[in-house]
Amino acid sequence: GAGVSQSPSNKVTEKGKDVELRCDPISGHTALYWYRQSLGQGLEFLIYFQGNSAPDKSGLPSDRFSAERTGGSVSTLTIQRTQQEDSAVYLCASSEQGGADSPLHFGNGTRLTVT
Amino acid sequence: KNEVEQSPQNLTAQEGEFITINCSYSVGISALHWLQQHPGGGIVSLFMLSSGKKKHGRLIATINIQEKHSSLHITASHPRDSAVYICAVPNQAGTALIFGKGTTLSVSS
Repeated sequence: GAGVSQSPSNKVTEKGKDVELRCDPISGHTALYWYRQSLGQGLEFLIYFQGNSAPDKSGLPSDRFSAERTGGSVSTLTIQRTQQEDSAVYLCASSEQGGADSPLHFGNGTRLTVT
Repeated sequence: KNEVEQSPQNLTAQEGEFITINCSYSVGISALHWLQQHPGGGIVSLFMLSSGKKKHGRLIATINIQEKHSSLHITASHPRDSAVYICAVPNQAGTALIFGKGTTLSVSS
């Protein structure tokens, strides 16, 4: 079966522009996570969706960042008025049950470069 | 807040060597994850363990809950094992994982 799919794989944008990153999780997985990995840094938690519950947005670094998950499936991470420090690889992961005790399946990420 | 420390940060080895990567965390957990990230970025979950030891091929993961410590071992290392190995533990809410900064392993033939 298909794994977690992210698009685009690479995105170059000018400072100040808005970008949308897409994640298509494994079918049937109720939990979806967004993480960010900056150069030389570890993975940083951004946001977590579990079923129909309100998302855990505690990791979003600023109000320029937002995410949606429509129909319990596809998710979009939006970054408004991008800044150079937003340059990173944005990784999406899904798990069957959610919670930190459930194995994660990662997408290949979107490499965002803000010029 | 759970803190995750990995050591060493970088590791080089000759093919065939036995490899150990360590992970320590500060707050009690239900399960610890080991993941592998290859050049090019793909991340693969290797192990999830809550006690004792798990083995998969040449990879062995152990955890000591009392000491809040886990180790990942690679027996008979091979150049294809070259990757970043990442340890992760749950956040306080138990909803997401907190990741260590990773150990970069380079195995030469």
